[in-house]
Amino acid sequence: AQSVSQHNHHVILSEAASLELGCNYSYGGTVNLFWYVQYPGQHLQLLLKYFSGDPLVKGIKGFEAEFIKSKFSFNLRKPSVQWSDTAEYFCAVKRSNFGNEKLTFGTGTRLTIIP
Amino acid sequence: DTAVSQTPKYLVTQMGNDKSIKCEQNLGHDTMYWYKQDSKKFLKIMFSYNNKELIINETVPNRFSPKSPDKAHLNLHINSLELGDSAVYFCASSQGLAGRILTGELFFGEGSRLTVL
Repeated sequence: AQSVSQHNHHVILSEAASLELGCNYSYGGTVNLFWYVQYPGQHLQLLLKYFSGDPLVKGIKGFEAEFIKSKFSFNLRKPSVQWSDTAEYFCAVKRSNFGNEKLTFGTGTRLTIIP
Repeated sequence: DTAVSQTPKYLVTQMGNDKSIKCEQNLGHDTMYWYKQDSKKFLKIMFSYNNKELIINETVPNRFSPKSPDKAHLNLHINSLELGDSAVYFCASSQGLAGRILTGELFFGEGSRLTVL
């Protein structure tokens, strides 16, 4: 079974610091990759996704992620974080070209930005 | 206009009771899901329906029974509630094609926080 690992459980940064959140997955085939964000008290929203093509994908709010196939990784980055980025971030993976395949989420990384 | 709406948002009940959570989406999607988010924020899929047909059923106690009267609605009924059922339950939808999940992007509702006392 595929699994998704997010090794950083809680990250605390000051405003304007650079961010990188790790995500690794275990499935060896072709995958679709996602980062979702959950702001305090809100539902999950899609930040960005990778299906194919350029492994560096850009999402909303200045976030980007890089798919490195050889490392089974899809790390999320932002050059300069803001207080409003405080949220829970979830990486998710789906095996592509699989009918009815579920989206598997990582355990999430809590990001706290200190003003 | 809320795309995926769940009711109720909060539910506090006693052990042993039966409760339901309703979900509706107005995105025209044909696939809907229930996810459970525990106190550690871990999100785990419970069920998925495509065009009213059950397509994913994870290892969930049979006290949990989903019902999809049409492709825009997916309700979750829970019998004999236990303390461990306390969680936030998220409904989500996505666009599929002939039973396959087309894009993988899920649109989530705001969650229903269930507290079992």
